[in-house]
Amino acid sequence: DTGVSQDPRHKITKRGQNVTFRCDPISEHNRLYWYRQTLGQGPEFLTYFQNEAQLEKSRLLSDRFSAERPKGSFSTLEIQRTEQGDSAMYLCASSFSSGGDEQYFGPGTRLTVT
Amino acid sequence: SQQGEEDPQALSIQEGENATMNCSYKTSINNLQWYRQNSGRGLVHLILIRSNEREKHSGRLRVTLDTSKKSSSLLITASRAADTASYFCATEGNTPLVFGKGTRLSVIA
Repeated sequence: DTGVSQDPRHKITKRGQNVTFRCDPISEHNRLYWYRQTLGQGPEFLTYFQNEAQLEKSRLLSDRFSAERPKGSFSTLEIQRTEQGDSAMYLCASSFSSGGDEQYFGPGTRLTVT
Repeated sequence: SQQGEEDPQALSIQEGENATMNCSYKTSINNLQWYRQNSGRGLVHLILIRSNEREKHSGRLRVTLDTSKKSSSLLITASRAADTASYFCATEGNTPLVFGKGTRLSVIA
């Protein structure tokens, strides 16, 4: 069990560019979550998948954000036309089965938009 | 929006003392979870308490839940310098986890 991994760990991009992050969950976990965390705040839920189905999206997830989990394994989060307000830590987590289980978090991808 | 509110926002104690953090929430929940986050890193799950439970222990951790007051507390006994971190409560109800803003705990050796 290698835990949840995220790539890249850090990303610096210029405003207006597109960025894509990858998350590899724990292999037997069928739920995968994306969160965003800004300095001094707790993580804010963005979206989650059960297998390949995207079941819920937060209002925070504007049209510029899209997430996929094509084969029910790894997931990608893409941000188009990045804005400075997108600068944050993007966290991925996975869990086994349905709600009521602890979530295992990855180390996060820190995005800086200049 | 964030449902949980931790109190205090920051706490500084001496090694060996106990640390108590509180969490209040707004809507009905299925369970409440506590997570720890070391500086700049991902979160680590500490303990989960279900809505029909009132108290739970895990090692040096003790969690209580009062659903009538919509509040929870996390007690860390005999604190160590390694306990220095941010602690978040997170509630799970009809939506996935909703986190509070956290309590920053500093344990001074």
